[in-house]
Amino acid sequence: DAGITQSPRHKVTETGTPVTLRCHQTENHRYMYWYRQDPGHGLRLIHYSYGVKDTDKGEVSDGYSVSRSKTEDFLLTLESATSSQTSVYFCAIAGINTEAFFGQGTRLTVV
Amino acid sequence: QQPVQSPQAVILREGEDAVINCSSSKALYSVHWYRQKHGEAPVFLMILLKGGEQKGHEKISASFNEKKQQSSLYLTASQLSYSGTYFCGTEFEGAQKLVFGQGTRLTINP
Repeated sequence: DAGITQSPRHKVTETGTPVTLRCHQTENHRYMYWYRQDPGHGLRLIHYSYGVKDTDKGEVSDGYSVSRSKTEDFLLTLESATSSQTSVYFCAIAGINTEAFFGQGTRLTVV
Repeated sequence: QQPVQSPQAVILREGEDAVINCSSSKALYSVHWYRQKHGEAPVFLMILLKGGEQKGHEKISASFNEKKQQSSLYLTASQLSYSGTYFCGTEFEGAQKLVFGQGTRLTINP
């Protein structure tokens, strides 16, 4: 199995609080992605990274920020959590012209 | 910019064949296919690159029409284990982001 770990796996938080999700890889892959998955919407790209300190927005980036200070870590921050951000979040990693490997997901509930 | 998948859902009997389609409005560099079981992470099936290179499982076949910006996944002699939601992911020319379609739910009945 590809070395990719998401933490935490489950989180319940209150509306208005900041939340940070972590994605850690041991594969030294260049690309890292954050997706959210909601019923009927498939996997929607939030942000992605193509190198250390190199990130770009995806389709649903409003309310989210990311940072990648090391090759192995890609952090997703919800600046002020809202109920609409209740979702399952997946991190993925990929090399150049290769398949993506997904983490096990983080189930986030905003109450 | 999400690719469009069709059909949205398919129900088959074991042993039947299925085709899942994926289309994009933008020029594609690559197409990925993944399968997701309920409560699990998506798992890689195949990648098709512009120029004809393919990598993936031996029992899975797919096509990539670069001119039409379309790909199809072919599942033959389906088995119960093929059940799940199938996603196509696309990378566009000049961009390194991987964007997924909305998924196709495949149900295989005995």
